[in-house]
Amino acid sequence: GAGVSQSPSNKVTEKGKDVELRCDPISGHTALYWYRQSLGQGLEFLIYFQGNSAPDKSGLPSDRFSAERTGGSVSTLTIQRTQQEDSAVYLCASSLVLTGRDGYTFGSGTRLTVV
Amino acid sequence: SQQGEEDPQALSIQEGENATMNCSYKTSINNLQWYRQNSGRGLVHLILIRSNEREKHSGRLRVTLDTSKKSSSLLITASRAADTASYFCATDEGDYKLSFGAGTTVTVRA
Repeated sequence: GAGVSQSPSNKVTEKGKDVELRCDPISGHTALYWYRQSLGQGLEFLIYFQGNSAPDKSGLPSDRFSAERTGGSVSTLTIQRTQQEDSAVYLCASSLVLTGRDGYTFGSGTRLTVV
Repeated sequence: SQQGEEDPQALSIQEGENATMNCSYKTSINNLQWYRQNSGRGLVHLILIRSNEREKHSGRLRVTLDTSKKSSSLLITASRAADTASYFCATDEGDYKLSFGAGTTVTVRA
């Protein structure tokens, strides 16, 4: 597609429920990243996918968070048993070059609110 | 973890004036990038400067990099109302993921 697409754009969920956030990167971009941004803060790295290599999960805050990338394209970030501190904007980005040397292209994000 | 720290946290200027913001970082980098974010949603890549470059221009944007001081600056000249946004620096330490600072919020008054 023309840009990175994320869905849903907004999600309100009850504490304890599971949520799935979707990211559709730019076609041909081999690298895909998930970041989290809490209100008024910078971006916190969560996970990184590159081609068929094992993902770098070093930024995932707890084992309630997981992500997969199917067929080297679409990615899903799953948060199980959501907590109020999970409320944030979840941003997905993709890049053509491995180290993002040409910059990332970000989606518009999913604003998650846990009530 | 956040590597870059922007300064100031917030900036308010009159339309037509220049806006300058700074970024400091801690470790050696491959490159440093600046992004703009409107209304807390997706970020837009503005400019990338490599570690062996000292200055780069793109339209009304001018970025400098001083690796000895581990700092960078972003200058927006002749600001417009549309430049109102948050600006983030991000560092590429060579491990394929960017580390972002907390950002500078710029308000351009008409």
